[in-house]
Amino acid sequence: QVQLKESGPGLVQPSQTLSLTCTVSGFSLTSNSVSWVRQPPGKGLEWMGAIWSGGSTDYNSALKSRLSISRDTSKSQVFLKMNSLQTEDTAIYFCTRGLWGFAYWGQGTLVTVSS
Amino acid sequence: NIVMTQSPKSMSISVGDRVTMNCKASQNVGNNIAWYQQKPGQSPKLLIYYASNRYTGVPDRFTGGGYGTDFTLTINSVQAEDAAFYYCQRIYNSPLTFGSGTKLEIK
Repeated sequence: QVQLKESGPGLVQPSQTLSLTCTVSGFSLTSNSVSWVRQPPGKGLEWMGAIWSGGSTDYNSALKSRLSISRDTSKSQVFLKMNSLQTEDTAIYFCTRGLWGFAYWGQGTLVTVSS
Repeated sequence: NIVMTQSPKSMSISVGDRVTMNCKASQNVGNNIAWYQQKPGQSPKLLIYYASNRYTGVPDRFTGGGYGTDFTLTINSVQAEDAAFYYCQRIYNSPLTFGSGTKLEIK
C-alpha cells in the first residue's frame, strides 16, 4: 500500500540547514508528484514546494530562496533542504503525494529550531 | 500569488445541524479546489477534490461546491466526530496554496 515517512533531525540550530528525507513505498516517484507541507504548532498548513513526476520542481515564493527539493528514484526518496533556519521555521513537516489532492500523507516530523 | 481566504475562522454547531464553510480564491481557479479535515495530532485527510468530488470513503454528508473564486464545504447532519479543522487548497496548478482554515466545534 502507499506509504510515506519523513525522517530527519528533531532539533536544528538557528542559521543552520535543515535536511529531511521522505521515504515512499507502494508507488513510483516517476509517476507521481510529492510535496512538502509544514505546520507550525497551533497554526495552519503551508505548502512549501513539490517535485513533479518528471523531476521538475516548484516552490512557495516565500521560501524559494532558501528551499531545495530533490529525489533519488532508485531509493524511492525525496529530499528537502532549507537553509538559514529561524525559530519561526519550527513546525511539523509532512511529505504528501498528489496533484489533484493530497490523498496520502506521512505522519509528519517535528522540527524545532532552537539553540 | 494566489490567496485562499476561508471563513468563518471558527464555528460552534450542534449535532444534527447543517454547516457551510467558505473558501474564496483571489483569482479564478476553475474547479481546482480540494478540502481537507485535520484533527489534533493527525495528518490531514482529503475530503473533496475538483471542488465537488468526494474522495473514497468520505461520508456523503460532506458536499463541496462552487466554481471560479467562491467555494463551499457543507456538512449535513453534523456528527460529533466532525469536530476538526477544515482547510481548502488550490490544486493542480502551482502554487498549491492552502487556506487558513476553519475550526468546527461541536456544542
